[in-house]
Amino acid sequence: AQKITQTQPGMFVQEKEAVTLDCTYDTSDPSYGLFWYKQPSSGEMIFLIYQGSYDQQNATEGRYSLNFQKARKSANLVISASQLGDSAMYFCAMREGRSGGSYIPTFGRGTSLIVHP
Amino acid sequence: NAGVTQTPKFQVLKTGQSMTLQCAQDMNHEYMSWYRQDPGMGLRLIHYSVGAGITDQGEVPNGYNVSRSTTEDFPLRLLSAAPSQTSVYFCASRGSYEQYFGPGTRLTVT
Repeated sequence: AQKITQTQPGMFVQEKEAVTLDCTYDTSDPSYGLFWYKQPSSGEMIFLIYQGSYDQQNATEGRYSLNFQKARKSANLVISASQLGDSAMYFCAMREGRSGGSYIPTFGRGTSLIVHP
Repeated sequence: NAGVTQTPKFQVLKTGQSMTLQCAQDMNHEYMSWYRQDPGMGLRLIHYSVGAGITDQGEVPNGYNVSRSTTEDFPLRLLSAAPSQTSVYFCASRGSYEQYFGPGTRLTVT
């Protein structure tokens, strides 16, 4: 079974608008971490944001915020005020801790975001 | 501070050939890992290491070998290359929570 599910293969957004990229996860481990990475067309993996399972507040990093809904096992990425440079693949990932977790993240299949001018 | 380095950047192999993808990090991280990225599949974990001398299999380990003799280096060996191993390979090392990725190796097996 997929541990990380990203149901949107592709998304389009107008420049300056906000966009939400969906991510759901599956784990029985009480200790886990959730990540979002950006992969532009140049290919490198760029870390965006991290949320720990025990963190009370939703993580934010500049224009990125993580909408963490623990009961729904959801960790959506919100990008505010989209820019043309946000066009990229976005990957959600989860790292499990105890209960047999390797502490190494597993990744979803990604969402391709295109920002229109 | 170079972070995570990978060599080569590009490689073409013939079916049946063997080769080693090199990965090194200078951040003194204990955790290192290898992923492969294929279109529509995201990144899939091949092998990982939680410290020198300790390695384990990930989701797609078949056809690959790893060893970790030092904290810095984590090479990935393709034993007998197959066209199904055509992919982009990423090495990563883990800090306190963030994964640091190398630039990737694009491998084509003909």
